[in-house]
Amino acid sequence: DAGVIQSPRHEVTEMGQEVTLRCKPISGHNSLFWYRQTMMRGLELLIYFNNNVPIDDSGMPEDRFSAKMPNASFSTLKIQPSEPRDSAVYFCASSFQDRTETQYFGPGTRLLVL
Amino acid sequence: GQSLEQPSEVTAVEGAIVQINCTYQTSGFYGLSWYQQHDGGAPTFLSYNGLDGLEETGRFSSFLSRSDSYGYLLLQELQMKDSASYFCAFMDSNYQLIWGAGTKLIIKP
Repeated sequence: DAGVIQSPRHEVTEMGQEVTLRCKPISGHNSLFWYRQTMMRGLELLIYFNNNVPIDDSGMPEDRFSAKMPNASFSTLKIQPSEPRDSAVYFCASSFQDRTETQYFGPGTRLLVL
Repeated sequence: GQSLEQPSEVTAVEGAIVQINCTYQTSGFYGLSWYQQHDGGAPTFLSYNGLDGLEETGRFSSFLSRSDSYGYLLLQELQMKDSASYFCAFMDSNYQLIWGAGTKLIIKP
């Protein structure tokens, strides 16, 4: 079975542009998590979904960030407008709803905002 | 509030044993997970302790003491490929993982 798939793997954009990150969770997993990792702040949970429904978005930095999960096999994280401080690695992870201690991470999207 | 403490860096010698400690503070706790992350890679799950005691998976073992709010990851027969960052994370009452800052393990030949 394929693992969590993320695209793009790398993204370089200019300040003010819209950025859309994509994630396909492992088939059968019903919990999906978006994380951001930086040297300064470590690994931060941005938002997570159970059965396609957002459960907790308290980690979303500000209104510039939004996430959707239209179906069980696809999620997006959008940043509009992007800022240089958004530069980070963004990970998507998935798990079974009753096994959230065991999360499977995608390879990440390395975002650089100039 | 909720918090996790783990050393920022640990150095050990190839073939030796190393222990990475983790202490936590929270009002709601279900268990402690450990993840490994190589430079440039993604975190990968290593182990989970839902109950007190020792869990063993090959060269890696993890321990939990709820009464002491403490756990550790033990790596035996260290190999150079074990050089990575190791994260402890506890599952809170909302079934969310709360992550530590990570411990960078440096292994010397």
